[in-house]
Amino acid sequence: QKEVEQNSGPLSVPEGAIASLNCTYSDRGSQSFFWYRQYSGKSPELIMFIYSNGDKEDGRFTAQLNKASQYVSLLIRDSQPSDSATYLCAVTRNSGNTPLVFGKGTRLSVIA
Amino acid sequence: GAGVSQSPSNKVTEKGKDVELRCDPISGHTALYWYRQRLGQGLEFLIYFQGNSAPDKSGLPSDRFSAERTGESVSTLTIQRTQQEDSAVYLCASSLSSVAEAFFGQGTRLTVV
Repeated sequence: QKEVEQNSGPLSVPEGAIASLNCTYSDRGSQSFFWYRQYSGKSPELIMFIYSNGDKEDGRFTAQLNKASQYVSLLIRDSQPSDSATYLCAVTRNSGNTPLVFGKGTRLSVIA
Repeated sequence: GAGVSQSPSNKVTEKGKDVELRCDPISGHTALYWYRQRLGQGLEFLIYFQGNSAPDKSGLPSDRFSAERTGESVSTLTIQRTQQEDSAVYLCASSLSSVAEAFFGQGTRLTVV
């Protein structure tokens, strides 16, 4: 099983600021990248996915992928206290029957 | 179904007993995953089913753990002779394929006393 690395945090940002969450992966064959949000005591929920190099925007969220450098990041603009959660990066290959591999997550705290 | 359904939501069992956890994936989803999450920890991969292919069991922590899935339907995760360290939330997820986004059930919280 290949590794997916995330800084565990906590990452603290003031309300209204941009939160930047980073993830690196070791498997160069990785093709699909996902960001999940997990509130305390709840299951992970998908918030973004990205397949191609570059940026993908969805509302206040932007996912960034750089396959050459093997990193994927998530930017949250205008951070709100309700964004406080653990953010999980997940990676999978396109070929073969390989499972989704998760990082351990980064805990984000948005301070009002 | 509308989402991934897991049962039971909570299970308290005595050390040494066997438990069976159930996962009903989203209809049509060929891929199904089981993960374990201990308190305050990340997701620990257990087993992965993709269609009719042989499951990837590389994450099962010991031979006390086993899982089955019939076709693209329900999966059961069985833990034999439970130990206190088995206490965790067991999460099931399903996806349309091995490359698509996965959706999680609400989890089964297992407590071994």
